[in-house]
Amino acid sequence: DIVMTQSPDSLAVSLGERATINCKSSQSVLYSSNNKNYLAWYQQKPGQPPKLLIYWASTRESGVPDRFSGSGSGTDFTLTISSLQAEDVAVYYCQQYYSTLRYTFGQGTKLEIK
Amino acid sequence: EVQLVESGGGLVKPGGSLRLSCAASGFTFSSYSMNWVRQAPGKGLEWVSSISSSSSYIYYADSVKGRFTISRDNAKNSLYLQMNSLRAEDTAVYYCARATGDYWGQGTLVTVSS
Repeated sequence: DIVMTQSPDSLAVSLGERATINCKSSQSVLYSSNNKNYLAWYQQKPGQPPKLLIYWASTRESGVPDRFSGSGSGTDFTLTISSLQAEDVAVYYCQQYYSTLRYTFGQGTKLEIK
Repeated sequence: EVQLVESGGGLVKPGGSLRLSCAASGFTFSSYSMNWVRQAPGKGLEWVSSISSSSSYIYYADSVKGRFTISRDNAKNSLYLQMNSLRAEDTAVYYCARATGDYWGQGTLVTVSS
């Protein structure tokens, strides 16, 4: 199974500042035949289901503010929030879908306001 | 509007059984693979099981293999999770989600306790 490891476990950032969350997979999630990274990012607020933010490692889901961006390839990925807003306080998860129908999540990163 | 509505959660004793259902609407259910994902209280997301659109491919997390059974009825636009031999560590909110990650239900709470 592909193991996903996020860092840090928690993060406190001032309003308007940049937040960066990292995700590392135990094996590459880059599919060579289509050059796509099978990596997604989710945001989860208390009492709510997860919300898809980013797929294919860097494609923003419809309606997601452009302050959210994803980058990386192979085994190392990053979610960046360019200018933190109060409504971005949440837990963020990365997920691999390279292993078809055998998905795994990172342990989550809790983002708070400093 | 896409909707996924889980039901069937509740309190069950260790060793007991429960069947979760997920009613889908607003999209062509038979065209999508579906997932069950759970979240223990205060913990992260854990993928539980996936089923392909025609039920040809089914996968389980090691933690539930041999105890849980996923199924679907495309004629009824419904997804199911039969949970047997339940343990305290199965206590969680169970979400159904499209395998694309873009739509999730609100979840149903399963509590395993004597």
